[in-house]
Amino acid sequence: QVQLVQSGAEVKKPGASVKVSCMASGYTFTSYYMHWVRQAPGQGLEWMGIINPSTGTTSYAQKFQGRVSMTGDTSTTTVYMELSSLRSEDTAVYYCARHIPAGGGGSWFDPWGQGTLVTVSS
Amino acid sequence: QSVLTQPPSASGTPGQRVTISCSGSSSNIGSNTVNWYQQLPGTAPKLLIYSNNQRPSGVPDRFSGSKSGTSASLAISGLQSKDEADYYCAAWDDSLNAWVFGRGTKLTVL
Repeated sequence: QVQLVQSGAEVKKPGASVKVSCMASGYTFTSYYMHWVRQAPGQGLEWMGIINPSTGTTSYAQKFQGRVSMTGDTSTTTVYMELSSLRSEDTAVYYCARHIPAGGGGSWFDPWGQGTLVTVSS
Repeated sequence: QSVLTQPPSASGTPGQRVTISCSGSSSNIGSNTVNWYQQLPGTAPKLLIYSNNQRPSGVPDRFSGSKSGTSASLAISGLQSKDEADYYCAAWDDSLNAWVFGRGTKLTVL
């Protein structure tokens, strides 16, 4: 079955960087784009960007431009999201989610990883 | 402030039917399909409805979605206690070139 397994929780100091991994299994890794979405404590979902694991092409939400980097490793079927210059407001659960395109238009996210809690605190 | 507007809360008694609205604009819901995600307490979001009104395999037909103009709705009939969760609508926004979500609606089964 399709599975996305993410790395464990992280605690970082303000100004540091964090790199979260998402290992995919159960499907052809290079055939589906991957999204990253975050959720601050008690808050809603926020889209961060998307990566094409086959080519490495990325597209980031404007809010994260210059601070986020998404990469992929086809040999380990793993995508990574690195966020730099961390501040307290970046404390959140970070999710990866597979992009499913529909032939006739439309797309959605399915499935989602289990989430990785990143805590930014001095 | 989210681009898509949802009520913060909704409630109903077991067996009832509840609806959750999601209001957007011409650049998102008005021109793209809407998806709904269910997030049970302490878990990751799960796809509930895609392409406005399609149910993934395994999602009961008690859940249904609809879209009209720049608004969408999620309906849950035969409410059960296990439906207590947060529900999020989502759509691609052509102006922002980004996926946008509602702030989520917390459903309580009384």
